Amino acid sequence: QKEVEQDPGPLSVPEGAIVSLNCTYSNSAFQYFMWYRQYSRKGPELLMYTYSSGNKEDGRFTAQVDKSSKYISLFIRDSQPSDSATYLCAMRDTGGFKTIFGAGTRLFVKA
Amino acid sequence: GAGVSQSPSNKVTEKGKDVELRCDPISGHTALYWYRQSLGQGLEFLIYFQGNSAPDKSGLPSDRFSAERTGGSVSTLTIQRTQQEDSAVYLCASSLDAYTEAFFGQGTRLTVV
Repeated sequence: QKEVEQDPGPLSVPEGAIVSLNCTYSNSAFQYFMWYRQYSRKGPELLMYTYSSGNKEDGRFTAQVDKSSKYISLFIRDSQPSDSATYLCAMRDTGGFKTIFGAGTRLFVKA
Repeated sequence: GAGVSQSPSNKVTEKGKDVELRCDPISGHTALYWYRQSLGQGLEFLIYFQGNSAPDKSGLPSDRFSAERTGGSVSTLTIQRTQQEDSAVYLCASSLDAYTEAFFGQGTRLTVV
């Protein structure tokens, strides 16, 4: 079993839809949780960075962490065609530098 | 530079040849990471450099892989006797330290034929 599980998709939604992306993990020591966006043939860029459980909002993006269920989510409101990309969840434990990534979910937002 | 720079952006090599991939991190960043991304897979950690400390090589898949970081700045990932399964995108990232945001380069797409 992988430490981080993420459905690779693809996920296709119409413009304006609310998108929900999710990851589950097995290591209870993970404390830092991240979401990266990766456009085709580009490096990943950090979207959201959260510590421990709770919610964090940034514009159209909301990250949720439920440590009791070992489950994290990224919500995208009012999705746009420019949001079409691969979204990678990532996480690491306190004091650790090694970040474990999910496989990434490919998202297509249709105009 | 303004961001993490990797070269070459694409590399096609014959099986059995050695290749060198280069990473120029953001100036002042003490932490540097190499990852490998295969088609449909997440990022696989390869190696981590932090300042002048000994690197963490625990992710290197075989002894054909090695990396160095000269003067705490530029890093080179070397793959000897390349195999077809080495074909992937190799990504470099740097961060101010081990606990802050990592910025990625655009990657080197390696194809072994």
